[in-house]
Amino acid sequence: DTEVTQTPKHLVMGMTNKKSLKCEQHMGHRAMYWYKQKAKKPPELMFVYSYEKLSINESVPSRFSPECPNSSLLNLHLHALQPEDSALYLCASSKEGTNYEQYFGPGTRLTVT
Amino acid sequence: RKEVEQDPGPFNVPEGATVAFNCTYSNSASQSFFWYRQDCRKEPKLLMSVYSSGNEDGRFTAQLNRASQYISLLIRDSKLSDSATYLCVWMDSSYKLIFGSGTRLLVRP
Repeated sequence: DTEVTQTPKHLVMGMTNKKSLKCEQHMGHRAMYWYKQKAKKPPELMFVYSYEKLSINESVPSRFSPECPNSSLLNLHLHALQPEDSALYLCASSKEGTNYEQYFGPGTRLTVT
Repeated sequence: RKEVEQDPGPFNVPEGATVAFNCTYSNSASQSFFWYRQDCRKEPKLLMSVYSSGNEDGRFTAQLNRASQYISLLIRDSKLSDSATYLCVWMDSSYKLIFGSGTRLLVRP
């Protein structure tokens, strides 16, 4: 089973809203990732959590705030976003650290109005 | 030079055809390589990892040429369901995935 789930599937939010994206995996993976993907572009890494600790932040603006409550869950808190932040947000996980294949969730399609 | 270079395509082939994609990478220290496929408006799905000796999975064969710094993906007996974008991916020394821009494949009846 290589399932990563994400909620919600779609999200429309205003620039003053606060919302959260959720990601869950039950494969025992110990590394989890957030990616952002714009149309017709490859995914861009945002954050990496390894063993529940933030190990990589790709200079992401502070209006995006990741959180890893436990080894199965990963959240991305959103606040004061801009229209250019509209994109597909993908969560991924890999087993026993970050040097293994990554499996992606279906993504949350975010529109900022 | 881009870290990963792929021909964007599209490759337009008939069902049953054999098609090959190449991808070049710039960092000779990279150890791990992957092919992902991505359907329109869906997430990338791992197709196969690429090992030093190459590997085969059914109709799909991946090869790694370290001397020339490229990896390839061969699809035999193409199916309509193979239509997708194929992403060449390598992992850098900090275990970050570096994605190519993708090659689009269209398999026609």
